[in-house]
Amino acid sequence: AQKITQTQPGMFVQEKEAVTLDCTYDTSDPSYGLFWYKQPSSGEMIFLIYQGSYDQQNATEGRYSLNFQKARKSANLVISASQLGDSAMYFCAMREGEYNFNKFYFGSGTKLNVKP
Amino acid sequence: DAGVIQSPRHEVTEMGQEVTLRCKPISGHNSLFWYRQTMMRGLELLIYFNNNVPIDDSGMPEDRFSAKMPNASFSTLKIQPSEPRDSAVYFCASSFTGTGGNGNTGELFFGEGSRLTVL
Repeated sequence: AQKITQTQPGMFVQEKEAVTLDCTYDTSDPSYGLFWYKQPSSGEMIFLIYQGSYDQQNATEGRYSLNFQKARKSANLVISASQLGDSAMYFCAMREGEYNFNKFYFGSGTKLNVKP
Repeated sequence: DAGVIQSPRHEVTEMGQEVTLRCKPISGHNSLFWYRQTMMRGLELLIYFNNNVPIDDSGMPEDRFSAKMPNASFSTLKIQPSEPRDSAVYFCASSFTGTGGNGNTGELFFGEGSRLTVL
């Protein structure tokens, strides 16, 4: 079974609008971390936001927020007020386990295009 | 602060040649990961180390691939002999993983990648 599933290979959004990128995960470990990374066309991987499995509130970082629904095992990324510079690949990732010897799993990514 | 440093950034080689990719993790980080990225297969975890010890190498595609981490500040990924299907971007990433409660998220910090082309 896939550990991380991103079902949207590509998405379009109009500049200044909000967009939600979907991510579901699969784990039986009670302790895990969820991450989103951005990969622009230049290729670097940029960390955006983190959500711990025990965190009660949804994580937010500027225009990024993580809609964490634990029972549904989903960790969707919401980007508010999209900008042209948000056009990139976005990867959802999960780290299983408390902290030690933990393994990172990445989804297949969603390519976001922001239209002017 | 210096980030994860990878070299070379670009490598073009011929089939059958040995390729060595290098990585210097962020100082103080105790976990190091090697990933391979291709259009077809996305991001694949090849191997990861914790405190210089290989923890999981199940992602290494075959015996032609080997990785070492002789000390906390250096790791290599070697392909011998290389084949055209090895062409990809290889990322090294490091993180600090420790006991909980210190606010550390354990996020991965990626290098800029090494783009390998095997002709």
